[in-house]
Amino acid sequence: AQSVAQPEDQVNVAEGNPLTVKCTYSVSGNPYLFWYVQYPNRGLQFLLKYITGDNLVKGSYGFEAEFNKSQTSFHLKKPSALVSDSALYFCAVRDMQTGANNLFFGTGTRLTVIP
Amino acid sequence: GAVVSQHPSRVICKSGTSVKIECRSLDFQATTMFWYRQFPKKSLMLMATSNEGSKATYEQGVEKDKFLINHASLTLSTLTVTSAHPEDSSFYICSASGGGAYNEQFFGPGTRLTVL
Repeated sequence: AQSVAQPEDQVNVAEGNPLTVKCTYSVSGNPYLFWYVQYPNRGLQFLLKYITGDNLVKGSYGFEAEFNKSQTSFHLKKPSALVSDSALYFCAVRDMQTGANNLFFGTGTRLTVIP
Repeated sequence: GAVVSQHPSRVICKSGTSVKIECRSLDFQATTMFWYRQFPKKSLMLMATSNEGSKATYEQGVEKDKFLINHASLTLSTLTVTSAHPEDSSFYICSASGGGAYNEQFFGPGTRLTVL
């Protein structure tokens, strides 16, 4: 069965410092991995995805994520946090082996960037 | 990029009434649409998956007679919350997929439903 874990409910980081939001996954086949960001009372905005190829994926707004197959992780990173990055971040996975379209979401991590 | 809209963005209704939420893919044909529900400070919970022209597939625990889903065209799916009650108050988000090798989902902006 597919699952996604975001072990941190809350991450606080000072503006200008690097940030990491953690995500680990479990699938039976090859994963198709996503990061989304959600601002208050808004839908999900796509940040980046990993399908295959380079393990380091670059996405919107300066975010990047590294796929680590041995650790089954897909942590989201940004070298220098902005106050405007404060939001709720979701990691999601789709199991390519099952062929299902369903995305399985983590529980979300609230990022607060402190000025 | 692919755009998905939802209407209305907010709705307040009285207990016992029905509410319809529309989800539209504006610039692509959505063979599959998904409906999610999000509780405060919680993740998205998939309610159902609908394919154009066929009945929706509901996730376990979701009442199909209460949450009616129609996907009559390749650009429109509707979710009707029937006989709404305060516990149905939530943030409902749809997504649409146009098929292809990876069936990527594009999300709508969400609808905030408040049942008084």
